[in-house]
Amino acid sequence: DVKVTQSSRYLVKRTGEKVFLECVQDMDHENMFWYRQDPGLGLRLIYFSYDVKMKEKGDIPEGYSVSREKKERFSLILESASTNQTSMYLCASSFGVFGNQPQHFGDGTRLSIL
Amino acid sequence: SQQGEEDPQALSIQEGENATMNCSYKTSINNLQWYRQNSGRGLVHLILIRSNEREKHSGRLRVTLDTSKKSSSLLITASRAADTASYFCATDAGSNSGYALNFGKGTSLLVTP
Repeated sequence: DVKVTQSSRYLVKRTGEKVFLECVQDMDHENMFWYRQDPGLGLRLIYFSYDVKMKEKGDIPEGYSVSREKKERFSLILESASTNQTSMYLCASSFGVFGNQPQHFGDGTRLSIL
Repeated sequence: SQQGEEDPQALSIQEGENATMNCSYKTSINNLQWYRQNSGRGLVHLILIRSNEREKHSGRLRVTLDTSKKSSSLLITASRAADTASYFCATDAGSNSGYALNFGKGTSLLVTP
């Protein structure tokens, strides 16, 4: 079965800290995605990657960066955490090109910035 | 970004009843997908319908697509309490590249025993 694992379910950090969110998939998928989900706003795409070392900005990349050094791992980095980055973060992966394949999601990381 | 919009925002029904959720979108698509999200969990893919398909079934789920109206509907028949979740539509239209999906804000479904 397809498995996307996010390193933490809950995380509490302080303003100004550098925060790393990790995501690992075991399906050999080319594409990986980071979303944030906020009440009333739905899912918004932060960054995605379609190959190792490749990355593309999504709709809300400001304040974030990503790293994909290995095919199975996609990391989201909050360079200097701020309270408005308190949110649910969801990682997903998919096979192939274009949006014609299902995305497989992890269980999310609920991040609180104090 | 171009997003699907689900309607209604919230729906409350009793077990055994049918639940219908609608999704509208703005630009031409290649496919449309429906996902379910249980509280506090990630999204689970339910069904994908391509632009040249009009209807698709999966178990108790029935999805229709009307590209002329830019709309889709998800019907859950004979609902169960376990169907309580949020349901999202997602399209491949209007994303920054062809790889990403655009999700709507979801319909919250409550099924009471």
